[in-house]
Amino acid sequence: DTEVTQTPKHLVMGMTNKKSLKCEQHMGHRAMYWYKQKAKKPPELMFVYSYEKLSINESVPSRFSPECPNSSLLNLHLHALQPEDSALYLCASSQDTGAGTEAFFGQGTRLTVV
Amino acid sequence: TQLLEQSPQFLSIQEGENLTVYCNSSSVFSSLQWYRQEPGEGPVLLVTVVTGGEVKKLKRLTFQFGDARKDSSLHITAAQPGDTGLYLCAGAPAENSGGSNYKLTFGKGTLLTVNP
Repeated sequence: DTEVTQTPKHLVMGMTNKKSLKCEQHMGHRAMYWYKQKAKKPPELMFVYSYEKLSINESVPSRFSPECPNSSLLNLHLHALQPEDSALYLCASSQDTGAGTEAFFGQGTRLTVV
Repeated sequence: TQLLEQSPQFLSIQEGENLTVYCNSSSVFSSLQWYRQEPGEGPVLLVTVVTGGEVKKLKRLTFQFGDARKDSSLHITAAQPGDTGLYLCAGAPAENSGGSNYKLTFGKGTLLTVNP
């Protein structure tokens, strides 16, 4: 099983809304990631969690708030987003952050901010 | 500065042709991964190359890792319309592998279109 499950698949939200993106994996992976991807561009790293602790924040605006409740779950809380935040949000996981580790991605959440 | 340079950025070919996509860097990588992504979906891992000089084959796809572990290539033989997609190379520099500085970063991708 190399499945990373993301919900919802699509999300439309207003600029004053609060919403959350969810990600789940049951591969026993200890590293989890959030990426943002705009159309025809590569994924851009946002956050890295290693052993349930935030290890990297790529200077992401505070309107994006990650949370790792346990080793299988990763959330991304959204508040007061802007239309330019519309993108495909990808979650990924890997065994750890060691050399040669492989990352597996979910199908993504297509977010539209109106 | 782009850590991983991919070329070409766009490629449109006819069914049955061969093609090669390149991924180059000035940094040494402990491993490189190749992904294929279709519109609106997440990247799907195709292969991981770990050893310098390594060659891996996946049906009509051949992946190479450079001897110095700074570059990689993906060769597709007899391309089919089903090969259409965005091909991405990704990796973390060897100096950042392991520990809190690990960052898996992507090349800009190669958008491949195979016409019937």
